Parts: sequence; structure tokens; C-alpha cells
Amino acid sequence: QKEVEQNSGPLSVPEGAIASLNCTYSDRGSQSFFWYRQYSGKSPELIMFIYSNGDKEDGRFTAQLNKASQYVSLLIRDSQPSDSATYLCAGTGRRALTFGSGTRLQVQP
Amino acid sequence: SAVISQKPSRDICQRGTSLTIQCQVDSQVTMMFWYRQQPGQSLTLIATANQGSEATYESGFVIDKFPISRPNLTFSTLTVSNMSPEDSSIYLCSVAGEQTQYFGPGTRLLVL
Repeated sequence: QKEVEQNSGPLSVPEGAIASLNCTYSDRGSQSFFWYRQYSGKSPELIMFIYSNGDKEDGRFTAQLNKASQYVSLLIRDSQPSDSATYLCAGTGRRALTFGSGTRLQVQP
Repeated sequence: SAVISQKPSRDICQRGTSLTIQCQVDSQVTMMFWYRQQPGQSLTLIATANQGSEATYESGFVIDKFPISRPNLTFSTLTVSNMSPEDSSIYLCSVAGEQTQYFGPGTRLLVL
């Protein structure tokens, strides 16, 4: 079983809609979770992190964490074509972040 | 956040040769990491490089194939030795920041 799992997608949403990206993890020792965005041919860039149960909002982005269900999500409101990218979920591992396989998001104009 | 640079940005190499990738950070950091991202895949941790000690390798990666140096708190190198086409990948340097990790721009390697 992979430590961090994501649906590979692609997830296609129309411009202006809410995109919902999901992630589950198996290591209950993971304390913090991160969402990175990766454009094709570029390195990952941090969008936001969360370590407490509940919601955390930053602009158009909301991260949600449910430690009992071992579930992390990222909501993107008012999706824009520029949000089209691969979104990587990561959790703290033994030495470094452990990444999921990523979900490809396509925002249709 | 730390500013990370990598050299080279890309290279095409012949099988059997070796390539050394450099990672430079604009501030002193304790922990540096090397990841590999194969085409269409996510990031896989190769090793953790700490200054003053040998690198710690993850399962499936060995020092003979991926020797790492960490001479000071702002610099590290990763060598990909005796390359084969299966080593074609993006190699990313990463540093631990406050509560997260930051990534360099990556080195795109193609082995023919």
C-alpha cells in the first residue's frame, strides 16, 4: 500500500467552478500535510500546508484535514485555466516528505 | 523561503557514463534531500544529505550508484553513476524550511 494515495485524474472542471482534490494517507505518524502544484516541466511549488484537523483557507484555496479518516483535501474556488497543473499531496515521513502520485487538473475555459 | 539553484539544468548522456548534479542554496540549511521524478511519476526520495555525515539512502537506492557529497551547509552534489536509459529522469534538490520543503528547479537527464 502506498503511503500517500491520490487519484491520478485528469480532473476536468469548467472555469469558475470549484475543483476538489483528494488524498488519503496510511501513516498515522504523519503530522503535517502539504499541497504542491507542479506545472509541466517545472518543479513543485508549495500552495499550502495543514497540520490541524479542520479547514485552512488561503485566498481561493482551502485545505481540509481529517486525521481520524486519514484524509486530506484541497478545494480550489473560482478555478482558472492557469490552475491547470498536477497537484501533489505530501505528508511528513521518517526523514522527508512522502508524495502521492499527483492529480492532474484541467480547467476548461 | 530558500532560493535553490541546480546545475546543469538538463543534459543528454551516453550509457555507462556518470553525471554530477550540483545544488546551491542561498542560506545555510541543515537538511538537504535528493528526489527523482521519472516521466509521468511522482517524486521519490533518493537520500537525505546532512553536512558532516554520510548520506542516508532510501530503500532501492545505494551509494555506489548515487554517491552524494555535502561539504558545507549551502551545497551538495548528487552523482548518477554508470548510467542506463532507466536513469532518465528529473533529479530535484530540496531543502527543509520552516514547516515545509522547498525545491530547486530540477535537472532533466536523458540517457541514450
